[in-house]
Amino acid sequence: GENVEQHPSTLSVQEGDSAVIKCTYSDSASNYFPWYKQELGKGPQLIIDIRSNVGEKKDQRIAVTLNKTAKHFSLHITETQPEDSAVYFCAASYSGGGADGLTFGKGTHLIIQP
Amino acid sequence: DSGVTQTPKHLITATGQRVTLRCSPRSGDLSVYWYQQSLDQGLQFLIQYYNGEERAKGNILERFSAQQFPDLHSELNLSSLELGDSALYFCASSVEGANSPLHFGNGTRLTVT
Repeated sequence: GENVEQHPSTLSVQEGDSAVIKCTYSDSASNYFPWYKQELGKGPQLIIDIRSNVGEKKDQRIAVTLNKTAKHFSLHITETQPEDSAVYFCAASYSGGGADGLTFGKGTHLIIQP
Repeated sequence: DSGVTQTPKHLITATGQRVTLRCSPRSGDLSVYWYQQSLDQGLQFLIQYYNGEERAKGNILERFSAQQFPDLHSELNLSSLELGDSALYFCASSVEGANSPLHFGNGTRLTVT
């Protein structure tokens, strides 16, 4: 099955700086890569996703890049703000005829220092 | 608000007992997923239902079972509970399969004493 590795486990950045979280996946058939943000006491919330036919996607201060050859994808947050502090999860899945659950990375605790 | 409702929010029970967790998906979503979140294992996929039928199984123990009813709500049953079953249990829903965005509820925190 799919295996997703996520780094770093904790990331502390100064407010206004950029943050980058990286993930690698094992199954070359995976074709959908979402990122989730989880705040304390809440469920994960989808913030951005990318499909395998696209190399990069942006949404305001958030961007995701995908390198299918190397089997890795990254989340970039620019101009970080205190409300960006949370746990971020990457995930990967493949859907080819059937359906399966997302395989998640173990999460990155992002801390924005004022 | 994701539109996915989970009850109860908290559940405290003893080892050996059985509990039922309930999930109402977003309006219009046909797929329901159950995930277990623990500190050391992260988010683990348990099982998926699509329009009442079991669609995929993940790392779900034999002591656990689930079903999706005609009104599309789902229940996760956990029996013969052990201390290690203490975790957050999340339900998520999507319009179709895994490549549709998943929308998570706020979870049920289960504590087994």
